[in-house]
Amino acid sequence: EVQLVESGGGLVQPGGSLRLSCAASEFIFSDHYMNWVRQTPGRGLEWVGRTKNKANSYTTEYAASVKGRFIISRDDSKNSVYLQMNSLLTEDTALYYCARGSGSLNAWGQGTLVTVSS
Amino acid sequence: DIQMTQSPSTLSASVGDRVTITCRASQSIGIWLAWYQQKPGKAPKLLIYKTSSLESGVPSRFSGSGSGTEFTLTISSLQPDDFATYYCQQYNNYFTFGGGTKVEIK
Repeated sequence: EVQLVESGGGLVQPGGSLRLSCAASEFIFSDHYMNWVRQTPGRGLEWVGRTKNKANSYTTEYAASVKGRFIISRDDSKNSVYLQMNSLLTEDTALYYCARGSGSLNAWGQGTLVTVSS
Repeated sequence: DIQMTQSPSTLSASVGDRVTITCRASQSIGIWLAWYQQKPGKAPKLLIYKTSSLESGVPSRFSGSGSGTEFTLTISSLQPDDFATYYCQQYNNYFTFGGGTKVEIK
């Protein structure tokens, strides 16, 4: 069974940094695009960004709200994708999911909670 | 940016009812639309992709239709397991999700 497990969430002060990880198993990770999606009660589901696969040069793309502050990377040897979050704002508080897919997202992790507060 | 608007935001229905949820895009997205089901405390689960293609393992009572800017998700006969929140998502130009439709027990 395909599995995605996020980790690294927690409480961080505004302006701080945090790195999330997502470990994948039971599928050929290197073949797939990987995404980060966040969810809040107020703003609902919001796509954060993605990393394409090796065949597409590991290109990364970001939502305007996080561009320049967040960086997505991946390590195919570890079947993992990462989200480096810098210059965090209170509005970045959310449950962060990693999800597999280049269009529709057919596998999701359970999420990791990020709280940005002083 | 493409905006996705779902209606209604809440829907009260009974087991056995036929349920329809609408999703409208602010500009044409072709057929690049997916539907997800989310239950409390769980991640979204893909139900339908490319407007009308059923994801493996999803019951056939779920169906999708539409193109361009207007799309629908239909549940032909609502089952107890279907009470949940449903989201549409466009992937014609990056990704945008609708605001969700909560299907609750009448």
